[in-house]
Amino acid sequence: QVTLKESGPVLVRPTETLTLTCNVSGFSLSDATMGVTWIRQPPGKALEWLAHIFSNDEKSYSTSLKTRLTISTGASKRQVFLTMTNLDPVDTATYYCARIRYSFGTVDYWGQGTLVTVSS
Amino acid sequence: SYELTQPPSVSVVPGQTASITCSGDKLGDKYACWYQQKPGQSPVLVIYQDNKRPSGIPERFSGSNSGNTATLTIGGTQVIDEADYYCQAWDSSTAHVLFGGGTKLTVL
Repeated sequence: QVTLKESGPVLVRPTETLTLTCNVSGFSLSDATMGVTWIRQPPGKALEWLAHIFSNDEKSYSTSLKTRLTISTGASKRQVFLTMTNLDPVDTATYYCARIRYSFGTVDYWGQGTLVTVSS
Repeated sequence: SYELTQPPSVSVVPGQTASITCSGDKLGDKYACWYQQKPGQSPVLVIYQDNKRPSGIPERFSGSNSGNTATLTIGGTQVIDEADYYCQAWDSSTAHVLFGGGTKLTVL
């Protein structure tokens, strides 16, 4: 059974750095056909893709956010981390991690999401 | 930058067919996916690779993709299908994931 679960702070102050963790089970990031992606959704708004990472350490970032994002995996290949710097209230959103298939970019399993609020 | 455009809202009478479009330049050259999201829940994949249904997705969900438009069709729409629907494509040249702005489907 494939599961993904996000964890991280609920409240972040403006200008601070956010680090989110995605714990995965039921598949391994050692599998060449699969990766993990981060997607966010501000309250009442649309989904926005942020970044993804595949087993060969291939990474890709949203053009508009690439200077603020870093995606990485843990040594066990069961964790994926997303770091976002210089947080702003507009970054308030539910952050999802999800599994992405390499060939066609299909996002087939999603975590439950974690709401991050940026406020002083 | 590449954009996917969806209508903000679509309404359908129960039992009728609902069609939700997603437009983008030469979208038919890419593979399209569709996700259903109900309030307070994570998105769920309902169509991938233009017209394939994941296990557990009802047969009334179908998809097509040609030219500049991908379409999600829900035949015999039920009240439980009321949700937000997002299209998504994969830009193989940049390895970027692209999302449409979402369509709120109202079943009334």
